[in-house]
Amino acid sequence: QVQLQESGPGLVKPSETLSLTCAVSGYSITSGHYWAWVRQPPGKRLEWIGSLFHSGSTYYNPSLKSRVTMSVDTSKNQFSLRLTSVTAADTALYFCARVRSASYDAFDFWGQGTLVTVSS
Amino acid sequence: DIQMTQSPYTLSASVGDRVTITCRASQSISSWLAWYQQKPGKAPKLLIYKASNLESGVPSRFSGSGSGTEFTLTISSLQPDDFATYYCQQYNSYSTFGQGTKVEIK
Repeated sequence: QVQLQESGPGLVKPSETLSLTCAVSGYSITSGHYWAWVRQPPGKRLEWIGSLFHSGSTYYNPSLKSRVTMSVDTSKNQFSLRLTSVTAADTALYFCARVRSASYDAFDFWGQGTLVTVSS
Repeated sequence: DIQMTQSPYTLSASVGDRVTITCRASQSISSWLAWYQQKPGKAPKLLIYKASNLESGVPSRFSGSGSGTEFTLTISSLQPDDFATYYCQQYNSYSTFGQGTKVEIK
């Protein structure tokens, strides 16, 4: 069974960089799927942040592209998110997920989510 | 950007009711649409992909239909575990989600 687990600081100061890692178990990250980050501000809709392939190919949400970097560590079977210059608007529950089939597709397995608060 | 709009925002229903949620796209997305169920503080659960395909393990009371710009999610007989918020997602161009429809107990 595919399992994903997010980890990282729960509190980030404004203007600093948010860094999260998603550890994948029960499935090899190199087995042909894209992997994604999705976030959900409190009480709001889900927002796709970006997707990446184990080769390093990435697709980012145009509204976040200038601040987002996603990377993969195949030796640890995990992938990561960096979001720079954060503000209070970046406060959200951050999920990592597996993309079902193609580069753009539904998300079939999700982590439990990690809450990141941006505050001084 | 493709905008996704769901209706209604909130739906009050009873166990056993047939429930329909609508999702409209701001431009044609063919059949590149998914539906999710989310409970408070939890990750979304994939129900339907490519507009009408039932994800493995999802009860058959859930069904999806539509193409182009208008889509529906139907729950044929609402069960106690189905009270939750439902989201549509388009993946024709990048990926965007609807604002959600909360199904609550009447």
